[in-house]
Amino acid sequence: DTGVSQNPRHKITKRGQNVTFRCDPISEHNRLYWYRQTLGQGPEFLTYFQNEAQLEKSRLLSDRFSAERPKGSFSTLEIQRTEQGDSAMYLCASSSRPGQMNTEAFFGQGTRLTVV
Amino acid sequence: AQSVSQHNHHVILSEAASLELGCNYSYGGTVNLFWYVQYPGQHLQLLLKYFSGDPLVKGIKGFEAEFIKSKFSFNLRKPSVQWSDTAEYFCAARGTGGGNKLTFGTGTQLKVEL
Repeated sequence: DTGVSQNPRHKITKRGQNVTFRCDPISEHNRLYWYRQTLGQGPEFLTYFQNEAQLEKSRLLSDRFSAERPKGSFSTLEIQRTEQGDSAMYLCASSSRPGQMNTEAFFGQGTRLTVV
Repeated sequence: AQSVSQHNHHVILSEAASLELGCNYSYGGTVNLFWYVQYPGQHLQLLLKYFSGDPLVKGIKGFEAEFIKSKFSFNLRKPSVQWSDTAEYFCAARGTGGGNKLTFGTGTQLKVEL
């Protein structure tokens, strides 16, 4: 396994701009999660995919946020009209090969977003 | 509401000291419990997990945790810490009824001094 890969690692953007992050999960993992982590806090759940279906979204995920996993492999998280409050580390995790029941989640290194 | 509490936010220990980090959870129903560690500049890594069975679980690098259902606790322990254990430690819980999302505590920053 090459692990969960996230790109870019760092993103600085001006307020009001749109940004998109990419996550490549561990091969064959059918569950993919997005979390957000701010300083001094643990990761907070944003959304979850099983294959290409987005099965759950947190109330933290405002209308400006959208996530996709079009072919059930990689996923993208887009933030439109960024605000300073969006500055955070965005973490992606994946779990569970087909046939596996609940397993632990494996995390990527995250994308650190700074909105100026 | 589902929640995880870690009461120790910052812990400083000398090498060879014993470690215990507290974790309490509030969940309806059966839970899976996890401890993750984040070394400086690295991603979250799983230390250990509890799904069912023996409530005393052993993880990597000499860590262990005990699930005490009556106390809603899952404390992390290590008999003798090393400088390389300096990291942030997160307790997390997940309901078994579906959804699979993890609820994390706020984390404990551990610093081990030589």
